[in-house]
Amino acid sequence: KNQVEQSPQSLIILEGKNCTLQCNYTVSPFSNLRWYKQDTGRGPVSLTIMTFSENTKSNGRYTATLDADTKQSSLHITASQLSDSASYICVVIASGGSYIPTFGRGTSLIVHP
Amino acid sequence: DAGVIQSPRHEVTEMGQEVTLRCKPISGHNSLFWYRQTMMRGLELLIYFNNNVPIDDSGMPEDRFSAKMPNASFSTLKIQPSEPRDSAVYFCASRYDRGEYYEQYFGPGTRLTVT
Repeated sequence: KNQVEQSPQSLIILEGKNCTLQCNYTVSPFSNLRWYKQDTGRGPVSLTIMTFSENTKSNGRYTATLDADTKQSSLHITASQLSDSASYICVVIASGGSYIPTFGRGTSLIVHP
Repeated sequence: DAGVIQSPRHEVTEMGQEVTLRCKPISGHNSLFWYRQTMMRGLELLIYFNNNVPIDDSGMPEDRFSAKMPNASFSTLKIQPSEPRDSAVYFCASRYDRGEYYEQYFGPGTRLTVT
């Protein structure tokens, strides 16, 4: 069964600090992996999309890494801001068929001033 | 573009009542998804339409749930009769199918509370 596990479940950091969120998956065959940011009361918004051949991808202060061999990904947030407070969801797409996504349960990040 | 539009944004109803959630996908998108999100289970796919045809409804919890897409610009998710365990945020998302590197866009969600 395809699964996506995220850790930690929640995280509290001070403004300006860095943090790293983890994602492990068992989706097969693998096509691509995405990180979404979900602000409270809103739908998820895509941050990055990574394919099998990509190890690192950045989007401003967000940097995602992918190790397709160990089936792990991370999302690193640099110099956190209060607006980074949100839920971060890892999503893995299997190749073939309709490309239905498998979602992790998310990491809730709170950035304190 | 206004993005994916969902209505209502909030719905409070009593157990046993019928609930209808509505979604207008982004113009030009040919696939539409209904998701349910709870604290316990995260985001779950309920049903997926492609070109207005239901492709995968294996996530629909039970017969109380039904979804329709009568045309490319409108979809409904109906719960009849509703139960307290149906309380969740329901998201609609749409995409234009062009292989596996599609981008999927979510609506703002409908927060459903069944008392």
